[in-house]
Amino acid sequence: EVQLLESGGGLVQPGGSLRVSCAASGFTFSSYAMAWVRQAPGKGLEWVSSIFSGASSTFYTDSVKGRFTISRDNSKNTLDLQMNSLRAEDTALYYCAKYAGSTQPYYLDYWGQGSLVTVSS
Amino acid sequence: DIQMTQSPSSLSASVGDRVTITCRASQTINNYLNWYQQKPGKAPKLLIYAASSLQSGVPSRYSGGGSGTDYTLTISSLQPEDFATYYCQHSYGTPWTFGQGTKVEIK
Repeated sequence: EVQLLESGGGLVQPGGSLRVSCAASGFTFSSYAMAWVRQAPGKGLEWVSSIFSGASSTFYTDSVKGRFTISRDNSKNTLDLQMNSLRAEDTALYYCAKYAGSTQPYYLDYWGQGSLVTVSS
Repeated sequence: DIQMTQSPSSLSASVGDRVTITCRASQTINNYLNWYQQKPGKAPKLLIYAASSLQSGVPSRYSGGGSGTDYTLTISSLQPEDFATYYCQHSYGTPWTFGQGTKVEIK
């Protein structure tokens, strides 16, 4: 059974840093692209970042470029999102999600339950 | 960036109704269009991928269609467990944007 378990969320001041992590199990982690998707309170879904299986290809939405870094450790089956220079508008529930494959069509077939990040003074 | 616009933003329907949600992309996306369902307090769930392929385990009352820039999600006979918010998302290059969501409520 595929499981994705996020951790590391919490309250951080504007300008601060936080790292959210995702522990994956139930599939061959190294073979699949992974993504972070966030949802601000009461709002819709927003794709944040993706990383492909070899970690050589990473992608970001414009609003987080230069501030967030996605990474993976295929030996530990973990996905991370390092978030720096956090802003109030980064407040959201951050979901870890698995792609069904590493080629088109790209779609997210499994999601974690999310980790809440709150940026506030 | 490709913008995704869903309509309607919300709708009220009764059990047994046929419901159709539309998603329009700002440019052609070659059927790289996915649909997700989200219930309150829960993670999104994949329903349809590549415009019309039903994800394993999803009831057959769900179907997807469309091409080019215009796509639809249809629920042929609405069931009590279908009341939720539905999102489309394109995967035709980054950023992989979502629509704003369509909330399906009980009439």
